[in-house]
Amino acid sequence: SQQGEEDPQALSIQEGENATMNCSYKTSINNLQWYRQNSGRGLVHLILIRSNEREKHSGRLRVTLDTSKKSSSLLITASRAADTASYFCATVLRSNDYKLSFGAGTTVTVRA
Amino acid sequence: NAGVMQNPRHLVRRRGQEARLRCSPMKGHSHVYWYRQLPEEGLKFMVYLQKENIIDESGMPKERFSAEFPKEGPSILRIQQVVRGDSAAYFCASSPQVDQPQHFGDGTRLSIL
Repeated sequence: SQQGEEDPQALSIQEGENATMNCSYKTSINNLQWYRQNSGRGLVHLILIRSNEREKHSGRLRVTLDTSKKSSSLLITASRAADTASYFCATVLRSNDYKLSFGAGTTVTVRA
Repeated sequence: NAGVMQNPRHLVRRRGQEARLRCSPMKGHSHVYWYRQLPEEGLKFMVYLQKENIIDESGMPKERFSAEFPKEGPSILRIQQVVRGDSAAYFCASSPQVDQPQHFGDGTRLSIL
C-alpha cells in the first residue's frame, strides 16, 4: 500500500480562494515533500519539510507537518488558474534515503 | 541549463516488442531514478542508478525489465516482450546528491497495443 495518501482526491475552487489538501502516512519519516504535476508533464518539486519542522512557507504555499498524527497539509493561498494541477505528497523514510513514496494525489481545479 | 530530458515522449509498441526509454539527467547530476505511474495513481519507485552502477532495483520487475546508466550517454530503461500491463507513464528523475530533491523529466507515455 502507498505510504502517503492525499485527501481529498479532487478539489474545485474559485480563483482567489484558498486550497487545502492533506496527506497521511503510515510510518516514521525523515522528510515529506510536496510536488505539483501539470497535465502531461513531469513533477515539479514544491517544498521539503523535515520531521523536526512543523511549518514551512514558500510564496503562496504553506506546508504543515504533524508527526504525532502522521499527517501533513498543503495550503495554496489566493489561488490562480495556473495552480490547476495534481498535487502529490512523497515521504522519505530515512536520511540519505532516495526512494520517494508517493500518494495518489489531489487534483485541483481553479475556476476563473 | 536544460532540465531532465526524456525521449521519446510517447511510445507505442505491440505486445511482444521491446521498448527503450531514454533519460538524460540534469547537468552535474550523477544520481538517476526511474518511476512508473499508472493512471490515477502516484509514482512508484523502480530503480536507482549512478554512473555505470545499479544501486537499487528493488522496485523493478525481475523479468523483462532492465536499466543502465553508462559512462557516456543517457540512462536507458529497457522493457522486453512488452505486455498490456506495461502501459504507463515512466518518469526519470535526477539529483546532484542522494539526499537532495529530485528533478523530474516530463516522462515517456508507453502504450501497448
